[in-house]
Amino acid sequence: DVKVTQSSRYLVKRTGEKVFLECVQDMDHENMFWYRQDPGLGLRLIYFSYDVKMKEKGDIPEGYSVSREKKERFSLILESASTNQTSMYLCASSQILAGLYEQYFGPGTRLTVT
Amino acid sequence: RKEVEQDPGPFNVPEGATVAFNCTYSNSASQSFFWYRQDCRKEPKLLMSVYSSGNEDGRFTAQLNRASQYISLLIRDSKLSDSATYLCVVNMRNAGNMLTFGGGTRLMVKP
Repeated sequence: DVKVTQSSRYLVKRTGEKVFLECVQDMDHENMFWYRQDPGLGLRLIYFSYDVKMKEKGDIPEGYSVSREKKERFSLILESASTNQTSMYLCASSQILAGLYEQYFGPGTRLTVT
Repeated sequence: RKEVEQDPGPFNVPEGATVAFNCTYSNSASQSFFWYRQDCRKEPKLLMSVYSSGNEDGRFTAQLNRASQYISLLIRDSKLSDSATYLCVVNMRNAGNMLTFGGGTRLMVKP
């Protein structure tokens, strides 16, 4: 079974703090993704990575950065947290196989910025 | 206009009912289509892919209409355990492994 784990289920941070969200997958997948999920807006892609040290912006990258130093680990960084970054953050991974687009999600991190 | 649109619901149906959800997508270059299921406070999981000829998996039937740019999910003989949010998901041509998610349709099956 594919397993994607995220470092925290719940996190409370103050405005202006630097926040690290960690994601680890154990299936040797090439692709990894960070989404945020908000009521009424669905899942929105923040960043993704298709290889170590490679990253691509998604639909809403502003205010975020990412790091992928090892294949199994993909980190999302909020350089200076703001209240509008309060959200559920979901990490996902997938393989690069023709016609195979299933993404496996972690359990999510509910971040509250006060 | 959102790239993938769904009626957010909720759809409240009794056990045993048949229920159908539709989803429309705006990009005609979309090439692959899926339904994901998300239980309350859980992560999304793939329910089924949607093929051009339509496909069935037990009580679930998915259909694709490329001309009208919509896909549908039909659930027969609804169970209490079918209560969840159903996400319509699209892969655009040349988007690699990137997926675009709809906002989801919430289904509540009542005893």
